[in-house]
Amino acid sequence: GAGVSQSPSNKVTEKGKDVELRCDPISGHTALYWYRQRLGQGLEFLIYFQGNSAPDKSGLPSDRFSAERTGESVSTLTIQRTQQEDSAVYLCASSQLAGAGFDTQYFGPGTRLTVL
Amino acid sequence: AQSVTQPDIHITVSEGASLELRCNYSYGATPYLFWYVQSPGQGLQLLLKYFSGDTLVQGIKGFEAEFKRSQSSFNLRKPSVHWSDAAEYFCAVGDRIDYKLSFGAGTTVTVRA
Repeated sequence: GAGVSQSPSNKVTEKGKDVELRCDPISGHTALYWYRQRLGQGLEFLIYFQGNSAPDKSGLPSDRFSAERTGESVSTLTIQRTQQEDSAVYLCASSQLAGAGFDTQYFGPGTRLTVL
Repeated sequence: AQSVTQPDIHITVSEGASLELRCNYSYGATPYLFWYVQSPGQGLQLLLKYFSGDTLVQGIKGFEAEFKRSQSSFNLRKPSVHWSDAAEYFCAVGDRIDYKLSFGAGTTVTVRA
């Protein structure tokens, strides 16, 4: 596709339920990032995938959060047993290169998660 | 660890007037610096970036930013704003050792006619 896409655009769930958020990166981009944006705050890094290397999960806030990516394609971010403090916009970004230096990260429109 | 401060939460500017958004960072070496813009319902779009070299960086949509090492600042400017510049602007710093970006809390820009 032309850009990074994310689905769903909005998700409302009840406390305690599991949710899955999806990210489709730009074709050919080897690096994929997940960020969380709480209301009125900047973006917090969550997790990073680069090719087939082990992901960097250092930003995940708890073991309720996990993410997967198959090769250089779609990634899913899963939040188990959601809590109200998980309410935020979850942004995905991809870039062509990483590690050897910075390359522009292209962001998707985000998924707005509301936990009731 | 690096950090970014955007002192202004909200700025209102008249159409055609100049705009300056402040960004201060904390980092032990020369960082990678970025400005992103987020329009309602849109993802973040890169306006410009500084890696090295000329400290005055030109970006898209008529924006520019100046890296001042002595002040640990990377302020964003535009000489004449348009109504379409109303958005939220984020400054970010990237670590030269790893790939992670740290973002400021953002500045919301309102443009009045």
